[in-house]
Amino acid sequence: DSGVTQTPKHLITATGQRVTLRCSPRSGDLSVYWYQQSLDQGLQFLIQYYNGEERAKGNILERFSAQQFPDLHSELNLSSLELGDSALYFCASSKAGAGGYGYTFGSGTRLTVV
Amino acid sequence: AQTVTQSQPEMSVQEAETVTLSCTYDTSENNYYLFWYKQPPSRQMILVIRQEAYKQQNATENRFSVNFQKAAKSFSLKISDSQLGDTAMYFCAFRNYGGSQGNLIFGKGTKLSVKP
Repeated sequence: DSGVTQTPKHLITATGQRVTLRCSPRSGDLSVYWYQQSLDQGLQFLIQYYNGEERAKGNILERFSAQQFPDLHSELNLSSLELGDSALYFCASSKAGAGGYGYTFGSGTRLTVV
Repeated sequence: AQTVTQSQPEMSVQEAETVTLSCTYDTSENNYYLFWYKQPPSRQMILVIRQEAYKQQNATENRFSVNFQKAAKSFSLKISDSQLGDTAMYFCAFRNYGGSQGNLIFGKGTKLSVKP
């Protein structure tokens, strides 16, 4: 157990629908990062939150949004889903100023859009 | 923008032998961090080893070591005495130094198969 909790582990939904992925960071970590990993691809950075505020944005589609709540958990909202959104979505967390120690990843949410 | 390149999509090695995975990166920064992550079939991302760019000494973690060549912007991973459990995707990653901002930039990965 890495200490980063992602729910649900698996999600199957239809095109056009909206889903919410949830992430609880490791205790004491203020930063949360969301990554997308498509089949046989590397990890694409989507967005970072630090202590409730958006800090960095990557290749995140306009149909996707995220937020970090006062208790530091984060949610990634995916709407108007398309087949190509099927992927493994990872959440990772790190302590403030400790990015040099790498990020701790959750076990991911496998999203299948049918 | 920083980029990370892993030029070997797939590699295989016999159990107990040594294998080296390549990684190059492009940055104009002087201070940064480099990482190798392992992703076994379970899909969990596991940190294998890390290197701080301002340290010339190569990092070592048990059977895993790196060859960090800053001038060449090269960061290879050597796995000694390969074990079946080392079978996984290996990702090289880069992060800028400092602050609370900054994401890990990953290469596309190398699929390593350890054969008995």
